Amino acid sequence: AQSVTQPDIHITVSEGASLELRCNYSYGATPYLFWYVQSPGQGLQLLLKYFSGDTLVQGIKGFEAEFKRSQSSFNLRKPSVHWSDAAEYFCAVGADNYGQNFVFGPGTRLSVLP
Amino acid sequence: EAQVTQNPRYLITVTGKKLTVTCSQNMNHEYMSWYRQDPGLGLRQIYYSMNVEVTDKGDVPEGYKVSRKEKRNFPLILESPSPNQTSLYFCASRQGPIYEQYFGPGTRLTVT
Repeated sequence: AQSVTQPDIHITVSEGASLELRCNYSYGATPYLFWYVQSPGQGLQLLLKYFSGDTLVQGIKGFEAEFKRSQSSFNLRKPSVHWSDAAEYFCAVGADNYGQNFVFGPGTRLSVLP
Repeated sequence: EAQVTQNPRYLITVTGKKLTVTCSQNMNHEYMSWYRQDPGLGLRQIYYSMNVEVTDKGDVPEGYKVSRKEKRNFPLILESPSPNQTSLYFCASRQGPIYEQYFGPGTRLTVT
């Protein structure tokens, strides 16, 4: 079964600074990787996904993520953070096997200083 | 508009009083799931369904039941709620096993 870790529980950055949120996964085969964002009091919105091909994927709201198979990582980045990016971010891994195949990490809470 | 809907959005109940949280999707998705979200634990899958009449347990199924009699609906049933089921619940659907999930707005449940 697959698993996901997000080493940083809480990150604080200043508005305009760059951001990198870490995600490491464990899965024996080709993973399908996702980043979701949850704004306070809201549901989850998909930021981006990786299925195959180019290992650098672009998402909504100016986010991108890079898949590194050798490091089992799928880190999320943004060059310049906006105050509205303050939210909780979840990395998730899916698999194409039968059954329970979509696992979320514990999340990273992002705070943005003005 | 493609969406997943859940009702109710907020619910306060007492221990032992049976309740049902409804979930419906209009995207003709095969897969549907229920998650609970608790601080520091992320989202944990309760039950999932691959199609009508096909359901299976997730990571935390104890105390919950589900049914999938129609493709669009996937209700979550708490036969005898307990305080440890106080949580934020999300329903989700997706087209297939490797596709992204679409989430409902969440149901905040408090059991006293």
